[in-house]
Amino acid sequence: TQLLEQSPQFLSIQEGENLTVYCNSSSVFSSLQWYRQEPGEGPVLLVTVVTGGEVKKLKRLTFQFGDARKDSSLHITAAQPGDTGLYLCAGVSNQGGKLIFGQGTELSVKP
Amino acid sequence: DAGITQSPRHKVTETGTPVTLRCHQTENHRYMYWYRQDPGHGLRLIHYSYGVKDTDKGEVSDGYSVSRSKTEDFLLTLESATSSQTSVYFCAISLGQLRTADEQYFGPGTRLTVT
Repeated sequence: TQLLEQSPQFLSIQEGENLTVYCNSSSVFSSLQWYRQEPGEGPVLLVTVVTGGEVKKLKRLTFQFGDARKDSSLHITAAQPGDTGLYLCAGVSNQGGKLIFGQGTELSVKP
Repeated sequence: DAGITQSPRHKVTETGTPVTLRCHQTENHRYMYWYRQDPGHGLRLIHYSYGVKDTDKGEVSDGYSVSRSKTEDFLLTLESATSSQTSVYFCAISLGQLRTADEQYFGPGTRLTVT
């Protein structure tokens, strides 16, 4: 069974700080997606990374896919209160191509 | 906006009663999914559909059934609700043609409480 472990599970920081969220597995994924979810809403896709070593930037968010395609990271620069939410990574499994989700990282950015 | 609605948005029901949740999409996407979300578990796939009357099980399908008689509607039924099925249920669609491997777009969720 393929698993994705996210760390940390909870993160509370002050506005302006930088942070990194990690998504790790012992399995290889063909691609990996990052979602953000706000309370009372469904997850919203932020980015998909496909190639080992790939780096994608979305404003202050930087996403990286590990060279071996077993891990990924999300780095936020100068966090703002609007970044508050649950961040989920999801990998495309090699068993039927289903999405496997990590357990999520709950981020709180205080003004 | 992928045009996904879920109904009801909130429901409280008693143990042992049947419950049906509805997911409706407006854009004729082929693939539809039902997930449940619980603290510490992320999202877990219950069932998915790859076309009208074509469905398959996900990782947590016990106690759930689904039906898809029209492209736009995907129904999730709890035949006899249990307290362990208290959760937030999300419907999702994927836009592309690849089976489940495509990026998914989620509905607003249904919060179900079984007492």
